[in-house]
Amino acid sequence: HVQLVQSGAEVKKPGSSVKVSCKASGGTFSTYAISWVRQAPGQGPEWMGRIVPMFGTLNYAQKFQGRVTITADKSTITAYMELSSLRSDDTAIYYCAREAPGVSYMEVWGKGTTVTVSS
Amino acid sequence: ETVLTQSPGTLSLSPGERATLSCRASQSVSSSYLAWYQQKRGQAPRLLIHGASSRATGIPDRFSASGSGTDFTLTISRLEPEDFAVYYCQQYGSSPLTFGQGTQVEIK
Repeated sequence: HVQLVQSGAEVKKPGSSVKVSCKASGGTFSTYAISWVRQAPGQGPEWMGRIVPMFGTLNYAQKFQGRVTITADKSTITAYMELSSLRSDDTAIYYCAREAPGVSYMEVWGKGTTVTVSS
Repeated sequence: ETVLTQSPGTLSLSPGERATLSCRASQSVSSSYLAWYQQKRGQAPRLLIHGASSRATGIPDRFSASGSGTDFTLTISRLEPEDFAVYYCQQYGSSPLTFGQGTQVEIK
């Protein structure tokens, strides 16, 4: 069964960008959507956006429009999330998750990537 | 966007007791597109329930859920030690997808 393997922890300066990767191990993207969800310390999860790698379809939460870019490389079965103009309140764990076919609940989650924004 | 409000914030119970968690939506969740997740410290969320009442693969039957429209409930019939965790609801009936702020089920 597929596992989502995420890149390692990052420490970034305010104003910089971060790019997190998510590789599907043991399977393919098929027609599944990959969502990105972040969770700030002590907070509930927050959806950022999704991509359907097979079709290149993108949806972003309005809150992150203009600051987040989600991409996917079908040849390496890897999705990416890049967040720019980082602020201290972007400090969070960033998860990728595979959505169920045709509906947007998260069936499979990566272990998360901790992004710390600090001067 | 659909705001999900979970209550209570914290539930203090003993193993073997029944837990009842609530999730209320600011507007009707279309097609009962409501999911529940369990999250343990240092781990990613784990899917428990989708479609408001359908258990995900491998989820024990002590977990049940119900509801429609704006009011949803997750019930754990008899708490096992491994059930003490934080539980989140998520709606996927409209964009943006949104999550509740969570209910922590702690050992009394």
